[in-house]
Amino acid sequence: DAGVTQSPTHLIKTRGQQVTLRCSPKSGHDTVSWYQQALGQGPQFIFQYYEEEERQRGNFPDRFSGHQFPNYSSELNVNALLLGDSALYLCASSLGGAGPQPTSHFGDGTRLSIL
Amino acid sequence: AQSVAQPEDQVNVAEGNPLTVKCTYSVSGNPYLFWYVQYPNRGLQFLLKYITGDNLVKGSYGFEAEFNKSQTSFHLKKPSALVSDSALYFCAVREGGWLTGGGNKLTFGTGTQLKVEL
Repeated sequence: DAGVTQSPTHLIKTRGQQVTLRCSPKSGHDTVSWYQQALGQGPQFIFQYYEEEERQRGNFPDRFSGHQFPNYSSELNVNALLLGDSALYLCASSLGGAGPQPTSHFGDGTRLSIL
Repeated sequence: AQSVAQPEDQVNVAEGNPLTVKCTYSVSGNPYLFWYVQYPNRGLQFLLKYITGDNLVKGSYGFEAEFNKSQTSFHLKKPSALVSDSALYFCAVREGGWLTGGGNKLTFGTGTQLKVEL
């Protein structure tokens, strides 16, 4: 049973650049959420995609955008990178549609470092 | 708005002793509560959840958690700690209920580092 997979595992960028992170959900899941985990902090919700639409968004600027593909995989794009964007970016998947949708499963994350 | 508090940055316990990691929450309506564990350079691994029903929830690796509605708490417990339990533990909350697509946003605490020593 394939879990949540993320790529790349590590990435180094410089200020002002743009980055794209990728996520494939757990088999059978159709909803993808993205979280940012700064060093020493808990994960912070960025946004969630279901049926290829952004359904819910956290307190993040428009520099953070995303996309969900028909196969349920997802991308997180960050433009005009700032030093403060350095963090572990986590993807979580869950089963969407009507229901309690209780459990999110997480990937191992992408470690993004901004120089 | 929903929130989670984990009052202890670190918990130290001797191997074989019982452990407790504390969590309190705030949410409108009924809560869905979760515990996740994070090992170094890894993502979050699901341990257990409370949705409804019995207040004592059993999860993976011998962990359990007790939901207390009056104290708005969901403390993680294990009767006998192992050195391999040493990791970062996160409590998370979501407002309970039936969703119709999306909306499964989790709010996390700041984490508690558990250190189990021989």
